[in-house]
Amino acid sequence: AQSVTQLDSQVPVFEEAPVELRCNYSSSVSVYLFWYVQYPNQGLQLLLKYLSGSTLVKGINGFEAEFNKSQTSFHLRKPSVHISDTAEYFCAVIGNTGGFKTIFGAGTRLFVKA
Amino acid sequence: ETGVTQSPTHLIKTRGQQVTLRCSSQSGHNTVSWYQQALGQGPQFIFQYYREEENGRGNFPPRFSGLQFPNYSSELNVNALELDDSALYLCASWPVGANVLTFGAGSRLTVL
Repeated sequence: AQSVTQLDSQVPVFEEAPVELRCNYSSSVSVYLFWYVQYPNQGLQLLLKYLSGSTLVKGINGFEAEFNKSQTSFHLRKPSVHISDTAEYFCAVIGNTGGFKTIFGAGTRLFVKA
Repeated sequence: ETGVTQSPTHLIKTRGQQVTLRCSSQSGHNTVSWYQQALGQGPQFIFQYYREEENGRGNFPPRFSGLQFPNYSSELNVNALELDDSALYLCASWPVGANVLTFGAGSRLTVL
């Protein structure tokens, strides 16, 4: 079984500052990893995904994440945030053995201040 | 616009009632999953359907049931509603072989 821990429930940051949202996972099998963003009153939108290959993954809106197998982490980063990045961010995992369900973390609320 | 449409967007029910939520997926997306997202929490997997058969279920009681239809639409039914069923219900779909969910905007259910 897989599980996901998002280490910060809220991250306040000033506009144009860098940000890192932390995610750790546990799994007995190899996994695929994802970051989703949820804006108020909306569904989830995929930011980026790691399926295989390069451990540094680039996504939309200037976000990137690095898969670290030894530390079982998949932290999300952005070098300079904007007010419009204020949203809830979810890390998610799915086992790559044909498992059927995506497991989500509890979410990190990113609040960008002017 | 994700191509996954959910209805209704909002609804209010009372305890003990029954509710049906609907989802229309993109053509070719023959796998659909339903998630419950309580306020301040991450989505929790309810169940998944593939080619009109349930092929995975999370830790939800039998009063949560579903259907998938040949036209890529699906339903989530909840009987005997409880206050704790108040949540955003998300439908997600994807084509066979893919591993990325495409989500609808959700249906927000309030149980009074």
